[in-house]
Amino acid sequence: NAGVTQTPKFQVLKTGQSMTLQCAQDMNHNSMYWYRQDPGMGLRLIYYSASEGTTDKGEVPNGYNVSRLNKREFSLRLESAAPSQTSVYFCAIQTTGTYEQYFGPGTRLTVT
Amino acid sequence: DQQVKQNSPSLSVQEGRISILNCDYTNSMFDYFLWYKKYPAEGPTFLISISSIKDKNEDGRFTVFLNKSAKHLSLHIVPSQPGDSAVYFCAASALWTGTASKLTFGTGTRLQVTL
Repeated sequence: NAGVTQTPKFQVLKTGQSMTLQCAQDMNHNSMYWYRQDPGMGLRLIYYSASEGTTDKGEVPNGYNVSRLNKREFSLRLESAAPSQTSVYFCAIQTTGTYEQYFGPGTRLTVT
Repeated sequence: DQQVKQNSPSLSVQEGRISILNCDYTNSMFDYFLWYKKYPAEGPTFLISISSIKDKNEDGRFTVFLNKSAKHLSLHIVPSQPGDSAVYFCAASALWTGTASKLTFGTGTRLQVTL
């Protein structure tokens, strides 16, 4: 997971609250991703960014927004958290010119 | 619709023996496949990958086999070690925009290597 940092590590929200999950890389790669992992569901892509200033929806984008303001950082925002968004969130980067993605340590989010 | 399937939620293998983890896919557009290992409270770690133009890729104790006609791939770990105990995810990619690829993951297989 070296090179991809995520903050916070843990967060508890009440329904309706908002928060932003932060992801940063120190490897200068173009593509960054946000996934969520739920029991029995594997990892599902929420949003991705192929390059600075561009973002695209993944498999499960509803309820989320993202921002890629610079090459290094890619943030995920929950505007009005719902219990269904309780999950572990992973940020990943893709090494340039390959298919391989490398993941951060994750943020465990609980919405009550 | 689960496009990448790992039908065995768990697998238990004795230390020193071979571990075989299986993965099936339905989308014939997938052209690159990856395996990830995940320990509790950590992010997934890239393990090994294979392109659809190959049928085998080896890296130390890890070998991935691809059978395109059957839409099936498997990960072999020989010999298995206790440190291999983790959840293993199979992933597949079909979209290549030149800078980004979208991975579709299976649901994972929990491998336990016993002494």
